[in-house]
Amino acid sequence: AQSVTQPDIHITVSEGASLELRCNYSYGATPYLFWYVQSPGQGLQLLLKYFSGDTLVQGIKGFEAEFKRSQSSFNLRKPSVHWSDAAEYFCAVGAGSGGYNKLIFGAGTRLAVHP
Amino acid sequence: DGGITQSPKYLFRKEGQNVTLSCEQNLNHDAMYWYRQDPGQGLRLIYYSQIVNDFQKGDIAEGYSVSREKKESFPLTVTSAQKNPTAFYLCASSRILDRNSPLHFGNGTRLTVT
Repeated sequence: AQSVTQPDIHITVSEGASLELRCNYSYGATPYLFWYVQSPGQGLQLLLKYFSGDTLVQGIKGFEAEFKRSQSSFNLRKPSVHWSDAAEYFCAVGAGSGGYNKLIFGAGTRLAVHP
Repeated sequence: DGGITQSPKYLFRKEGQNVTLSCEQNLNHDAMYWYRQDPGQGLRLIYYSQIVNDFQKGDIAEGYSVSREKKESFPLTVTSAQKNPTAFYLCASSRILDRNSPLHFGNGTRLTVT
């Protein structure tokens, strides 16, 4: 069965430091992969997506992610974190008969940013 | 601006009562979805619909019901059969069969049942 694992529940970084959020997936075929961000009490906003092609994808707000098939990973990175990046981040894989629209989400990683 | 509207933002009900959460979109999307979010569990799919008058169960459909009478609307009813209804509920929509169409989410409804 398809699944997504985000090993880190909470991460704290200092403003200006680099960030990497981990995501591992389980899926039999070539996956469609997504990263979403959620501010408290709000819906989810798409940061970036991977369907095929270049394994390094760029997203909004200065985020990027790298698809590594050999490691079944799709880690999210940002070279310099801003205080406004504090939020919860979700990795998701598109699966099922609904195609890539039917998403399976990881449990999320909550990011705190110290000034 | 186009988007998804969920109402109300906060909802309180007594145990044993059915409650309906509203979701309306003006994005002209064919597909709509309901997710439930609990702390530490991510989002879990309740129901989804790819076309008017048709919908499918997701992973946790028990105790919930939906309807899709109009393309723009996909209300979710949380019935008294749902054992743990208190949660944050998110509605989403997308174009189908379009790899460049991600899910667009509403701002959610927080349901508290006591």
